[in-house]
Amino acid sequence: EAQVTQNPRYLITVTGKKLTVTCSQNMNHEYMSWYRQDPGLGLRQIYYSMNVEVTDKGDVPEGYKVSRKEKRNFPLILESPSPNQTSLYFCATRGGNYGYTFGSGTRLTVV
Amino acid sequence: QKEVEQDPGPLSVPEGAIVSLNCTYSNSAFQYFMWYRQYSRKGPELLMYTYSSGNKEDGRFTAQVDKSSKYISLFIRDSQPSDSATYLCAMSAKAAGNKLTFGGGTRVLVKP
Repeated sequence: EAQVTQNPRYLITVTGKKLTVTCSQNMNHEYMSWYRQDPGLGLRQIYYSMNVEVTDKGDVPEGYKVSRKEKRNFPLILESPSPNQTSLYFCATRGGNYGYTFGSGTRLTVV
Repeated sequence: QKEVEQDPGPLSVPEGAIVSLNCTYSNSAFQYFMWYRQYSRKGPELLMYTYSSGNKEDGRFTAQVDKSSKYISLFIRDSQPSDSATYLCAMSAKAAGNKLTFGGGTRVLVKP
C-alpha cells in the first residue's frame, strides 16, 4: 500500500529543545514536501525537495531545517522550537501527473 | 490578497442535498486543479484532479474548472453524513516537481 508515514503523531515539547519529525514514503517519489496547517491560514509550505540532496525553501521556512540523504526519507528539524511553531505538520509526496499524497500529520505543541 | 480564496464555511446541508463548493484564484499560470477532503485529525486525501478547463465526474463528485474566470467548483450529489469534512482546493502550474497552493478549506456538515 502506498504510504507516507510520519512520526510522532503527537509531540509536546519545551521551547528551545531540538526535535525531529520523521517522514518516510514507499512510492519512490522524487518530490517531497513539508506543510504546516494553522486555523485561518490553511496549508503553507515549509520546505520541499526535488530529489536526493536537493532541497529548497517554501513559503514559511524560518526556524526549520530539512535534509534529504535518501529518496524515501525527508525529516523536518526544529533546532530551537518556539511557541509560534505550535501547529499541525504534514509531510507529502508527489509523483508524476498527480496530486500530493499526505501523511497523517504530526500535532506539535511547544510550551 | 491570497493567491487562492475559499470560503471557510461552515456549510450545513441536509442529507441528500447537493453540496456546492468553489475557489477563486489569481495566478493565471495554474493549470492543474485538485480537491482534497480532510477529516478531523487526518491528512488531506485527494478527491478530484483536473487539468486545464472543463468538467470531470467521478461517482457523486463533479469538478469544474473555468480558467477564463479563474474559478473552480466541486459538487457533491446525494450528500451523506460521511461527506462531513473540510474540503480544500489546491492548484499548481506544473504537473510534477511543483508545489501546490491551497485554499483555506471549507468545512461541510451534512445533517441526517
